[in-house]
Amino acid sequence: EVQLVESGGVLVQPGGSLRLSCAASGFNVTRNYMNWVRQAPGKGLEWVSVIYPGGSTYYADSVKGRFTFSRHNSKNILYLQMNSLRTEDTAVYYCTRGSGCSGGLCSRFFDPWGQGTLVTVSS
Amino acid sequence: EIVLTQSPATLSLSPGERATLSCRASQSVGIYLAWYQQKPGQAPKLLIYDASNRATGIPARFSGSGSGTDFTLTISSLEPEDFALYYCQQRSNWPALTFGGGTKVEIK
Repeated sequence: EVQLVESGGVLVQPGGSLRLSCAASGFNVTRNYMNWVRQAPGKGLEWVSVIYPGGSTYYADSVKGRFTFSRHNSKNILYLQMNSLRTEDTAVYYCTRGSGCSGGLCSRFFDPWGQGTLVTVSS
Repeated sequence: EIVLTQSPATLSLSPGERATLSCRASQSVGIYLAWYQQKPGQAPKLLIYDASNRATGIPARFSGSGSGTDFTLTISSLEPEDFALYYCQQRSNWPALTFGGGTKVEIK
């Protein structure tokens, strides 16, 4: 069964750091376009970052320079290192698998999704 | 950045009725649009990808159509479990992909 399980969300002070984990099972993360998507309380969905099978990473402007997406290949685990956290980073963070490529576009849609982990940035 | 505008914000319908949800893009996204369903306390669930393809296990009452800037998600006959939030998402430009603001389908 294909499954994603996030962990690591806690209450952290502004300016602090946090690392989220996403354990994948049923497939190999190194062969897929893996993403983080977040959802602030009562708000819509916001794409955060992607890691390509080759290891390249891309970020939303709102987190660029502060967040780092990485993976442990042998453990099949993904990580999101979050530094210089702001109150506006408060959200449920979802790990999700992007689609393969078609027409030159990769990671066109997301399936499946993990259950999410809540990050609260507050003093 | 491509902006996706979903309408209406809320759709009040009864079980058995037809639901028509709209997603309009600020510029063409081709066919690269997906639809998701989200219930309270749950992660989003993929319904439709590439504008009109149903994801695995999604009932035939869900259908998607459109291309370019105008897209529609249709639920032919609402079941009780279909009352939820629905989001569209585009992946036409790089680097950012975007989601619409959502449409809530509620019981009338």
